[in-house]
Amino acid sequence: DVKVTQSSRYLVKRTGEKVFLECVQDMDHENMFWYRQDPGLGLRLIYFSYDVKMKEKGDIPEGYSVSREKKERFSLILESASTNQTSMYLCASSSPGEATNEKLFFGSGTQLSVL
Amino acid sequence: GEDVEQSLFLSVREGDSSVINCTYTDSSSTYLYWYKQEPGAGLQLLTYIFSNMDMKQDQRLTVLLNKKDKHLSLRIADTQTGDSAIYFCAESAYTGGFKTIFGAGTRLFVKA
Repeated sequence: DVKVTQSSRYLVKRTGEKVFLECVQDMDHENMFWYRQDPGLGLRLIYFSYDVKMKEKGDIPEGYSVSREKKERFSLILESASTNQTSMYLCASSSPGEATNEKLFFGSGTQLSVL
Repeated sequence: GEDVEQSLFLSVREGDSSVINCTYTDSSSTYLYWYKQEPGAGLQLLTYIFSNMDMKQDQRLTVLLNKKDKHLSLRIADTQTGDSAIYFCAESAYTGGFKTIFGAGTRLFVKA
C-alpha cells in the first residue's frame, strides 16, 4: 500500500512565523503535490514537483515555497504565516501509470491555524 | 479556464441509491475521477473513467459520463452509513502539462 505521511495533523502558529509542513511518500513516486482545502473551494494546487530539486507553481503559489531535496520528501514552507493561510493542507504523490492518468495518493492532511 | 462544478451537499436514506453529479468545462479531459474523503482523512481514489467510455461499473458504484454535455455522475447503490463522506469529482486536463483539477466536493450524508 502506498503511504503518504504528513508530519503533523494539527498545527497552530502565530502571524509572521516561518512554518514548515513535511510530507514523505514511500512508493518511489516521481510526482508530489501540495494542495490546500477550504470549504466550498475544493482543492487548490499550491506547488508541485516532478523530480528532485524541481518545482513548479500551481494555481495559488503566493506566500508559499517548496523544497524537494530527496525524492521521497516534499516540504511546503510558509515564509511568514498569515491568517488567510489558515487551512487544511494536503500532500499527494502520483503513480506513473498512463501519461494522462494521474492517480493521486493523499496524506491525511495538516490542519494549520494561524493566529 | 478549466472548472469542475458539483453541488455541495446530498442527503439520502440508508438503502437508497445516491447520485452525485459533476460538470466540467475542459473538452480535452482524458480521465475523470471520483475521490472519497472520510472525516479526518485525506482523499482516496474511488474510481476513474477514461473519456472515451460512457459507463463504468464497480460493485455498488456506477460512473456515467456524458461527454457531449461534459457531465459526470457517481451512483452508489444501497447506500450505507459508512458511505457518508465528501466526494470529489476531478478531471485530468492539459494546461501546458497535464494536471488534476478538483471540484469543491459533495458532502454525502446518509440517514439511518
